[in-house]
Amino acid sequence: DGGITQSPKYLFRKEGQNVTLSCEQNLNHDAMYWYRQDPGQGLRLIYYSQIVNDFQKGDIAEGYSVSREKKESFPLTVTSAQKNPTAFYLCASRVRADEETQYFGPGTRLTVL
Amino acid sequence: QKEVEQDPGPLSVPEGAIVSLNCTYSNSAFQYFMWYRQYSRKGPELLMYTYSSGNKEDGRFTAQVDKSSKYISLFIRDSQPSDSATYLCAMTTIGPNAGGTSYGKLTFGQGTILTVHP
Repeated sequence: DGGITQSPKYLFRKEGQNVTLSCEQNLNHDAMYWYRQDPGQGLRLIYYSQIVNDFQKGDIAEGYSVSREKKESFPLTVTSAQKNPTAFYLCASRVRADEETQYFGPGTRLTVL
Repeated sequence: QKEVEQDPGPLSVPEGAIVSLNCTYSNSAFQYFMWYRQYSRKGPELLMYTYSSGNKEDGRFTAQVDKSSKYISLFIRDSQPSDSATYLCAMTTIGPNAGGTSYGKLTFGQGTILTVHP
């Protein structure tokens, strides 16, 4: 089955700890994205990557970091510098640079205790 | 003012009703418009996309775009309980006909929560 997988589905973290969210796709898509979703605010872009070994900040990158060492993988690290990390995190991918439609993974719910 | 405004609802309708979901936007550079459906605790799934003014139909769903008014709508005919979900509009400034490349920044509305009761 082709698709985007995110793990874990639920994640709990103590304040002050870094945590890494996994995103993997086997669709052979070039571009990948991380969004954050909070109630009543829609989706906001954290980071994106158009090709391997390259990524750019989105609208709310502070307190987050990413890497893109392989085409199929785009992990997101939520650092202790992120002041309000509790949210639903969504990873998405896009076929190629001139294709606008993005496809989403199932999401990871992060809760900071 | 947000670039995209969407009625948050919640919207509750009886089964079989026609549902109208709407978004307005302020950025006239938006050219490509999408509707996503999101079930509770799941990722959004693409329902429809369009890049021209007018109507686009797919089964019970019709997407409507009015660029002159900066207004888009999604109509659901014969609504079913399985349509109960959050509906998100999304848009971007560069579409497939504009040439060049885009990093694919989508701007989303806040989402409308729809419940269709039997």
